[in-house]
Amino acid sequence: GAVVSQHPSWVICKSGTSVKIECRSLDFQATTMFWYRQFPKQSLMLMATSNEGSKATYEQGVEKDKFLINHASLTLSTLTVTSAHPEDSSFYICSAHPDRESQPQHFGDGTRLSIL
Amino acid sequence: GQNIDQPTEMTATEGAIVQINCTYQTSGFNGLFWYQQHAGEAPTFLSYNVLDGLEEKGRFSSFLSRSKGYSYLLLKELQMKDSASYLCAVMDSNYQLIWGAGTKLIIKP
Repeated sequence: GAVVSQHPSWVICKSGTSVKIECRSLDFQATTMFWYRQFPKQSLMLMATSNEGSKATYEQGVEKDKFLINHASLTLSTLTVTSAHPEDSSFYICSAHPDRESQPQHFGDGTRLSIL
Repeated sequence: GQNIDQPTEMTATEGAIVQINCTYQTSGFNGLFWYQQHAGEAPTFLSYNVLDGLEEKGRFSSFLSRSKGYSYLLLKELQMKDSASYLCAVMDSNYQLIWGAGTKLIIKP
């Protein structure tokens, strides 16, 4: 079964709407989770590293106020796309791996976001 | 800087064998991972190498040489469903994954 659950799978909404995406590790604790974005036919792009109990670390070029990350517990991180616009339409994927272990990152199934 | 290199695209024939290479330069090394990603889906884990040598798992094998900063993924008896992107990723000293851009593998009948 899946070890990382991501919800929702699909979102279609109007421009200006804020959208929240949840990422849960189901059978392990993850102090750190990762949020990626992927445009069609392009590679994964790391947006930010979500840290439990502290601020997320954003990659260069990613707007902190646009993409709000909350990592309130050791098993849950959320990404909120605020005031979404059509250019934010993309495939958003989260991942996690057990703390401080050389184990594979497990990915959620991804969220396909379409802003009209 | 940290860098992962892999070919952008490869083409192979159904039933054949293909080798996808990956070279890396990273700050520290805690293992190398291969993932498969079908179009429109999230990546799925294929293999993990932390020691030199070959790891075999069914039709897929992965090789690592840490001294050369080199790995390859070998796919045997190719099937049409193997058409996908294959991502090479290295876990650095901070246990963060550094991703390659992926190799798109096209399988022809």
